Amino acid sequence: DQQVKQNSPSLSVQEGRISILNCDYTNSMFDYFLWYKKYPAEGPTFLISISSIKDKNEDGRFTVFLNKSAKHLSLHIVPSQPGDSAVYFCAAKLVGEGAQKLVFGQGTRLTINP
Amino acid sequence: NAGVMQNPRHLVRRRGQEARLRCSPMKGHSHVYWYRQLPEEGLKFMVYLQKENIIDESGMPKERFSAEFPKEGPSILRIQQVVRGDSAAYFCASSPSQTDPTRQYFGPGTRLTVT
Repeated sequence: DQQVKQNSPSLSVQEGRISILNCDYTNSMFDYFLWYKKYPAEGPTFLISISSIKDKNEDGRFTVFLNKSAKHLSLHIVPSQPGDSAVYFCAAKLVGEGAQKLVFGQGTRLTINP
Repeated sequence: NAGVMQNPRHLVRRRGQEARLRCSPMKGHSHVYWYRQLPEEGLKFMVYLQKENIIDESGMPKERFSAEFPKEGPSILRIQQVVRGDSAAYFCASSPSQTDPTRQYFGPGTRLTVT
């Protein structure tokens, strides 16, 4: 039962353009969403998050949008840079649960072309 | 402040052997989480430990897998009698708090290959 889904295994974007990574979820009891970035041979690193009571959170070049009615969130990176090439995971936390039991999507491999 | 350390980074075991994966959390972190990433999949929660206590092991397979986080030393994930399906990347994460999900810091992972 895949509660968090990233339906695009890969995405290729021109440097300087906007990258949009998408994530869908099925469980309405998720109350917090996170995006992680992962380089090869490294662990995931936290990028940006959003609480379910908000619909947007921005941090520099990164913005996360949450559409609760559609159970959909997206990560926008603008402008995209070569160093952004990595695998991006979205993750969700259940209301009432502690920080453990983050539920991850399958990941999207982003490639930024010069 | 050193990050989360995991060793070994790569581990090859034959079917039926035991695998021991170690995780040293960041200094000051008393919460440790283990995740498994199978090929082409996302990370899946396995177990959550605090010092000397298993808090939540709902993601652990019922047999052959065990975890500990002793008072002194690293956290250990132990897999007995490994099978090919155990081949995966195993990540541990540590945090200073169980209530802030943004403060889970991941180690580089141990890639287990079962031949």
